[in-house]
This record gives sequence, structure tokens and C-alpha cells, in this order.
Amino acid sequence: EAGVTQFPSHSVIEKGQTVTLRCDPISGHDNLYWYRRVMGKEIKFLLHFVKESKQDESGMPNNRFLAERTGGTYSTLKVQPAELEDSGVYFCASSQDRGGDYEQYFGPGTRLTVT
Amino acid sequence: AQSVTQPDIHITVSEGASLELRCNYSYGATPYLFWYVQSPGQGLQLLLKYFSGDTLVQGIKGFEAEFKRSQSSFNLRKPSVHWSDAAEYFCAVVPLTYKYIFGTGTRLKVLA
Repeated sequence: EAGVTQFPSHSVIEKGQTVTLRCDPISGHDNLYWYRRVMGKEIKFLLHFVKESKQDESGMPNNRFLAERTGGTYSTLKVQPAELEDSGVYFCASSQDRGGDYEQYFGPGTRLTVT
Repeated sequence: AQSVTQPDIHITVSEGASLELRCNYSYGATPYLFWYVQSPGQGLQLLLKYFSGDTLVQGIKGFEAEFKRSQSSFNLRKPSVHWSDAAEYFCAVVPLTYKYIFGTGTRLKVLA
């Protein structure tokens, strides 16, 4: 079974540019999550999809961030326009809906550097 | 507010020595608790988890963790560290929702 995959693994862009990160969850997982780790800080929750619906986007930093999950499969996270403070590692995770089991499976992350 | 504290940012141990990584959480009830490891270039891999029951949890790669309610702690241990254990370790809690709350991580260096 393939794990959670993320693309690209690294991205270096200039301030003001747009970047789109992609996440492919484990097949059959309805739940998809985005997290972010800014250097030296903790990994922080950004948002949660159940299928194609946004269940919770309380962690999204501002309206420069837009997440989508068309068709309930893969998800994209777009940052437009990027700012220096957006640099960090963006993790995607997925999980099945198994009552009482909160284990999430994480991808390798996308390292975003905004210069 | 719920939070997780990993007080040690860096830890260095010699190969073969024992290891304990500390994790304390702040939450009114007993949350679900996890330890993850991230090796260079890899994603977060689950080491072990605690939901309920026996407070001593066995995980992969010879790791174990003990939940202590009175201390709000979930420390990770390994009796004998291998060079391949060098990585970053994250403690996480899930306070009855899907939203993981992570600590800042502990980076482990292993000396040959």
C-alpha cells in the first residue's frame, strides 16, 4: 500500500510569487490534513478535509492560503502571494474514519523556502 | 489551552546507552498520545501510541513509552540506542479530536 505522497519535496520561490503544494493521501482515506512546521517551532495544524469538504480550517494563517480537495482524492495547498514567513515544511497526513483510532499517516513534507 | 512540551531540544547519547525523551502535556482529561520519528528526508513515522489501558506502551524499533497521569507525561525510552536512531522525535496529543498538537521536537544525536 502506497503511503502519503507530497510534491514537490522542495520549492524555492521569491516573495510575491505563487506556489502550489500537492498531497496524495493513502487510497481510501477520507480524512486529509495539512500541517506546517516553521523552523524551530512545533508542527501546527492548518486544516482538515473530510472527503472534499473542509471540516476545520481554523489553523490557516490568512487568506493567502487556499486549500482544495476536488473529488475527495488529492489535495492542493496554494500560497498566493508568498511571504517570507511562509517558509517552512508543509506536511500532509491522512486517516481512515475508524471510531476511536486517531492515527494519522504523514507524508515526507514539502520544504518551502521563500526568499 | 492544550499544549505539549518537549523540554530537550537536542540530546546526544553514545551508541548502546539508554535513552529517555521527555514529553509533558497540558490537557484537562486524558488525551490520545503519540510519538513520531522523522529521519532525514523521511516523513513522520509512528513509533507508538496510547489510547487507554496499560500505561506502558511498546512500539517499533525497540521503543517504549509510559503514560503517567499524575505527571501529565508520556516519556519515550529505549534501553540501548543504535546509530540509526539518530533523528528528530515528536510527541503529539490528540485531545479527543482529530487535531494533533505537537511538541517542538527533540533532535537525537548518537555518538559512535
